[in-house]
Amino acid sequence: ILNVEQSPQSLHVQEGDSTNFTCSFPSSNFYALHWYRWETAKSPEALFVMTLNGDEKKKGRISATLNTKEGYSYLYIKGSQPEDSATYLCASSTSGTYKYIFGTGTRLKVLA
Amino acid sequence: DVKVTQSSRYLVKRTGEKVFLECVQDMDHENMFWYRQDPGLGLRLIYFSYDVKMKEKGDIPEGYSVSREKKERFSLILESASTNQTSMYLCATSTGLRDEQYFGPGTRLTVT
Repeated sequence: ILNVEQSPQSLHVQEGDSTNFTCSFPSSNFYALHWYRWETAKSPEALFVMTLNGDEKKKGRISATLNTKEGYSYLYIKGSQPEDSATYLCASSTSGTYKYIFGTGTRLKVLA
Repeated sequence: DVKVTQSSRYLVKRTGEKVFLECVQDMDHENMFWYRQDPGLGLRLIYFSYDVKMKEKGDIPEGYSVSREKKERFSLILESASTNQTSMYLCATSTGLRDEQYFGPGTRLTVT
């Protein structure tokens, strides 16, 4: 994989459902992976910075895992709420570089 | 909290005009970035600056230049605006290369 790919592109879930997204990135020379949440008319905000294989991070109902050997990260949202509606971006960088490659995002809509 | 501000939320310019987009941060972050975001594409890096007067080209620098005379301010310059530069422009800052980026609210530029 040369680019960062996110799936699905978009999804609609009901309030209370749990959901997860995937971010696939180049595994060679991995340096760091970022997850961001981007709400409409706001700035993207960082959720997690992940650097080590096997990393698991949690913030409230949102958690993320990292597998650097196979080049993927999962983002989980437990008990989705309407305020979770946003586009979720991941971005990956390789060793020693300032360049982060961003995926196109997963657009989540949580229906009340 | 880190605050990143951009000079305009919306901007309309004519083809051939020289356009300045300003970004100001209120923390002491060394790194500053300019991205553009287009439908169906991830955020793409235009330029990066790691210190005053220091800059590096990103993935799509053609048609753009930058200026960083003071640590807190990073300007993106479109020397002669063209319609294919119609886009959302986002500024971001960070402390270290692994650290999360803090984004401004974006400037939606339309070139007619």
